Amino acid sequence: GQQVMQIPQYQHVQEGEDFTTYCNSSTTLSNIQWYKQRPGGHPVFLIQLVKSGEVKKQKRLTFQFGEAKKNSSLHITATQTTDVGTYFCAAMNRDDKIIFGKGTRLHILP
Amino acid sequence: DGGITQSPKYLFRKEGQNVTLSCEQNLNHDAMYWYRQDPGQGLRLIYYSQIVNDFQKGDIAEGYSVSREKKESFPLTVTSAQKNPTAFYLCASSQRVLAYNEQFFGPGTRLTVL
Repeated sequence: GQQVMQIPQYQHVQEGEDFTTYCNSSTTLSNIQWYKQRPGGHPVFLIQLVKSGEVKKQKRLTFQFGEAKKNSSLHITATQTTDVGTYFCAAMNRDDKIIFGKGTRLHILP
Repeated sequence: DGGITQSPKYLFRKEGQNVTLSCEQNLNHDAMYWYRQDPGQGLRLIYYSQIVNDFQKGDIAEGYSVSREKKESFPLTVTSAQKNPTAFYLCASSQRVLAYNEQFFGPGTRLTVL
């Protein structure tokens, strides 16, 4: 079935460095959603992108949807310890249901 | 406070026993979902329900059963037929099943089968 691939699986960064996670699909996506799961917690919705080439910002977080609507990225500027967690992308499949990527686990080194 | 509750947070069962995980929401959402999360596997959909008395299998439904007798409640039963039931189980809801609606997740139940 349709899948969304996320890379990298893990990322360690020094506090203050930037971080980017990528979400890729072999097929055109209708939309892309991003969720964050803190260690020991549950996923929390961050944002949804729908339009080709769309860029949205939330403070230090920048979300992009590719022009072909086959990929997306989440970029965090100047990471802080509060950014620790796993970031998931999610997209709609042909059956109009959400499918989740495997996530990128971000670890911040103090 | 509106939200989704799951109970219990931790659950231990002996192998061969059925166990039911609770999920309740007061968000007035039509759609509810059950996911299983294993390390490095992301979220895998077990079952979902679009409306009361209706539910559909997800990607890994074997060994699980659900019911949706009330809009607010969507309990999941992990049966003895599930070969590897130890996992973190997450319940979620959204206004509709359509994927343009964000999903709200409960705190999860961590099931350990001994």
